[in-house]
Amino acid sequence: QKEVEQDPGPLSVPEGAIVSLNCTYSNSAFQYFMWYRQYSRKGPELLMYTYSSGNKEDGRFTAQVDKSSKYISLFIRDSQPSDSATYLCAVASGTYKYIFGTGTRLKVLA
Amino acid sequence: NAGVTQTPKFRVLKTGQSMTLLCAQDMNHEYMYWYRQDPGMGLRLIHYSVGEGTTAKGEVPDGYNVSRLKKQNFLLGLESAAPSQTSVYFCASSYRGVGTEAFFGQGTRLTVV
Repeated sequence: QKEVEQDPGPLSVPEGAIVSLNCTYSNSAFQYFMWYRQYSRKGPELLMYTYSSGNKEDGRFTAQVDKSSKYISLFIRDSQPSDSATYLCAVASGTYKYIFGTGTRLKVLA
Repeated sequence: NAGVTQTPKFRVLKTGQSMTLLCAQDMNHEYMYWYRQDPGMGLRLIHYSVGEGTTAKGEVPDGYNVSRLKKQNFLLGLESAAPSQTSVYFCASSYRGVGTEAFFGQGTRLTVV
């Protein structure tokens, strides 16, 4: 079993839709939860960062962590064509190791 | 402020050839990482460093070596390239460990024929 599971998509939505991206993880020891956005042929860039459970909001983006279900989500409101990218979830514990999901490809249609 | 810079951006190698990928960061970060990204596999950690002069193995270290002689640079070496090492390689750095943001370079696309 992979430590982090993520649906690879692709996910296509119309402009303005609410997008829900999800990951599940297997180890309850993970404490740090992140979402990275990766545009085609570019490096990942941090979008959202959460420590422990709860919600975090930043503009049109909301990250949720449910540690009891080992489930993390990223919601994008009023999605834009510029949001078209691959979204990677990542979890971490300890001091150095980030574990990444395989990424979900999102396409927002104008 | 350049952030994390990787050199080269593209490379084609023949099986058995060697090469070195260079990663440079200008953010005074302690931690540096080398990942490879393959379709359906996500980002997998090859080697990492928690400070100048230190290196450690990650998830998929076989066939690679690294050095961190200067704090700002992290080198990834392939001694004898194999087709299985065809991948996109990303370098990342962070101020400390996982409690701080990891910044990624733009990637190096390596093809081994």
